[in-house]
Amino acid sequence: DADVTQTPRNRITKTGKRIMLECSQTKGHDRMYWYRQDPGLGLRLIYYSFDVKDINKGEISDGYSVSRQAQAKFSLSLESAIPNQTALYFCATSENYEQYFGPGTRLTVT
Amino acid sequence: RKEVEQDPGPFNVPEGATVAFNCTYSNSASQSFFWYRQDCRKEPKLLMSVYSSGNEDGRFTAQLNRASQYISLLIRDSKLSDSATYLCVVKSMDTGRRALTFGSGTRLQVQP
Repeated sequence: DADVTQTPRNRITKTGKRIMLECSQTKGHDRMYWYRQDPGLGLRLIYYSFDVKDINKGEISDGYSVSRQAQAKFSLSLESAIPNQTALYFCATSENYEQYFGPGTRLTVT
Repeated sequence: RKEVEQDPGPFNVPEGATVAFNCTYSNSASQSFFWYRQDCRKEPKLLMSVYSSGNEDGRFTAQLNRASQYISLLIRDSKLSDSATYLCVVKSMDTGRRALTFGSGTRLQVQP
């Protein structure tokens, strides 16, 4: 089984809808991250959490919120999806310097 | 200016060729440096860390020039399986930025 899993893997939603992307990990890491990837822009950090009680905004947090329900779970919400949030979303965990990524969620907002 | 800049490529090289990628970073407080590899439609994975003295892992050599704020990755004897996007990654310890900054990647296509 994969160490970092993301659900759903693909999602198409309409503008204005609320959507949640979920991430689970079995690596036992305290640190978890949410990134989005857009062509030509690389990976950009949305939110990160260094433990269950520690949530921090990344460089592009506007329009997103997160919840760290447990050490192993970190979910990302789009309260009211808009088309420019169409992207590939990755969750990651880390212990030291190496980050371990989930397989990604491809989100399309129409 | 982007914090981490890379030539997007693509670099199209024949099998067996040597190819080099460069990356520049703007934050002089950057402390750690890495190369990640990302296959098409897959997640990024750590390829290697970059040490001040330079380091080698098989056919891959990474170098760091702190004075010029520049990182490089050299791949010798390219294989078809090396085709991927290579991401330059920088870690800074500035307040509030205890995370990694990714370049947008350089795409390599090794041809038979």
